[in-house]
Amino acid sequence: EPEVTQTPSHQVTQMGQEVILRCVPISNHLYFYWYRQILGQKVEFLVSFYNNEISEKSEIFDDQFSVERPDGSNFTLKIRSTKLEDSAMYFCASKAPLYNEQFFGPGTRLTVL
Amino acid sequence: RKEVEQDPGPFNVPEGATVAFNCTYSNSASQSFFWYRQDCRKEPKLLMSVYSSGNEDGRFTAQLNRASQYISLLIRDSKLSDSATYLCVATGRGINKFYFGSGTKLNVKP
Repeated sequence: EPEVTQTPSHQVTQMGQEVILRCVPISNHLYFYWYRQILGQKVEFLVSFYNNEISEKSEIFDDQFSVERPDGSNFTLKIRSTKLEDSAMYFCASKAPLYNEQFFGPGTRLTVL
Repeated sequence: RKEVEQDPGPFNVPEGATVAFNCTYSNSASQSFFWYRQDCRKEPKLLMSVYSSGNEDGRFTAQLNRASQYISLLIRDSKLSDSATYLCVATGRGINKFYFGSGTKLNVKP
């Protein structure tokens, strides 16, 4: 069964450093998403991406965040200058055309020290 | 106001019990609704979509009441493996934004 994959599974970084989280969505999906979940809290929407541009973004997704689809398979989330409060699990999700269900990757746990 | 609200639980039930979870959403323009389950430190996994006519998948039944902006999930004949956090999800005005509830924790005990 096709699935969303994410790398790395765990990233540790120093405050102020840039991180790039990588995702490979399911191959025939065209809609891509990033969510985050701070430990013990709910899953929060960050951004949706379709046709090589951002469709929607939340107030969390400020100028420190960017997304890119650099090639036909990868979808990345960049955080330019990490803060302590960026520590969370980051989930990528993808959706097929004409369907509403999103499928989630296993997540990247980001720890900012 | 929270977009999606759920009772956090935990619901502690014996194996074989029937348990129901409820959820309310605040945006009347929400178009699509889902139940996901999340195991500890894992990703949300789609359990089922929720349709206006109600839908059933084995032991699981989901209902949507648009007038009351209310979604429910019924689990019959609970199994130990049903122990998880159940996440209620509503989309925004479009379908490109999912709003998650905080989840309802279910513990099924032998």
